[in-house]
Amino acid sequence: AQSVTQLGSHVSVSEGALVLLRCNYSSSVPPYLFWYVQYPNQGLQLLLKYTSAATLVKGINGFEAEFKKSETSFHLTKPSAHMSDAAEYFCAVSERGGQNFVFGPGTRLSVLP
Amino acid sequence: GAVVSQHPSRVICKSGTSVKIECRSLDFQATTMFWYRQFPKQSLMLMATSNEGSKATYEQGVEKDKFLINHASLTLSTLTVTSAHPEDSSFYICSALKNTEAFFGQGTRLTVV
Repeated sequence: AQSVTQLGSHVSVSEGALVLLRCNYSSSVPPYLFWYVQYPNQGLQLLLKYTSAATLVKGINGFEAEFKKSETSFHLTKPSAHMSDAAEYFCAVSERGGQNFVFGPGTRLSVLP
Repeated sequence: GAVVSQHPSRVICKSGTSVKIECRSLDFQATTMFWYRQFPKQSLMLMATSNEGSKATYEQGVEKDKFLINHASLTLSTLTVTSAHPEDSSFYICSALKNTEAFFGQGTRLTVV
């Protein structure tokens, strides 16, 4: 069975500050890991994904995440927050066949001027 | 990438009526599609896995007679909410599996009045 935890349901940062959204996973098999962003009343947009290649994954909009097997983590970072980054962020894990896709509870990111 | 289109994006219906939501993979064939439900300020919960040409597999606690899923072709899965009630109001999102990656639709906001 797989599961995802995201520490902090709400994170606030100042514009220009570092963004760090935490994700830890549990999986009995080597996982695929994802970060999605959701703007109000919209679907999910894929930010980045880890599929067993490089452990440091770069995504869209300046985001990146590092897969750390020893820590079972896949934290999302961005060096400098922008107002447009304010949204809900979901970490997700799946098996390598794309099956058993499980979402974390989500973290709402607020960016303060 | 791959495109998944969901229709309608918003629907308001009267209590007791049925509503059909369509999920289409526009540029690829999808043997497997997934349906999720998202309550306000919560994560996505998998409702069912839809397989082309066979019966859907429902998650525990999801009423299969209330949420009818049909996956009649490799590019279309439909979710019908039968005899809708206000508690069925939610955000419904589909995804389609291409190779080992899931691509998400834009979501459907269902409001039952």
